[in-house]
Amino acid sequence: DVKVTQSSRYLVKRTGEKVFLECVQDMDHENMFWYRQDPGLGLRLIYFSYDVKMKEKGDIPEGYSVSREKKERFSLILESASTNQTSMYLCASSVWPAHTQYFGPGTRLTVL
Amino acid sequence: SQQGEEDPQALSIQEGENATMNCSYKTSINNLQWYRQNSGRGLVHLILIRSNEREKHSGRLRVTLDTSKKSSSLLITASRAADTASYFCATDISYSGAGSYQLTFGKGTKLSVIP
Repeated sequence: DVKVTQSSRYLVKRTGEKVFLECVQDMDHENMFWYRQDPGLGLRLIYFSYDVKMKEKGDIPEGYSVSREKKERFSLILESASTNQTSMYLCASSVWPAHTQYFGPGTRLTVL
Repeated sequence: SQQGEEDPQALSIQEGENATMNCSYKTSINNLQWYRQNSGRGLVHLILIRSNEREKHSGRLRVTLDTSKKSSSLLITASRAADTASYFCATDISYSGAGSYQLTFGKGTKLSVIP
């Protein structure tokens, strides 16, 4: 079975802190994605990556950056956390050319 | 960006009844998928239907796709309390730069199955 893990289930940070959210998949998938999920807004794509060191902006990249140094790991970085980044963050992966995405359990981030 | 929209937003039924959820989308798609999310957890893929398919079954799930109306429905038969979750449709758009793609998710239908 595909396993996607995220570094934390719950995280509390202060405004202005630099925040790292880590995602690891164990199935050698080429594609990895970061979403945020907010009530009433559904899932919105922040960034995705289709190969090591490659990244593409999604629908809401502002305030975020990503890093993919190894195929299995995709990191989401909040350079200077703000309260409007309080959200559930979901990581997913998929293998090309299939379209099914496998999700991690999510990280609920609170920025105070 | 294009987006699937689920209907209804919330649905409450008794155990044993059937549950039907609908999804509408705006532009042509390659595939449409349905995902399930238990409260506070990640999404789990349920079923994928291709644009040239009209109906697909998987266990107690039945999905239909009407590309002329740009809509899909998910039917869960003989529902169980364990089916209580949010259900999302997702449509794909191709990212031609690398042969990859993006999924666009709807806002979901929250299903409650009462024992």
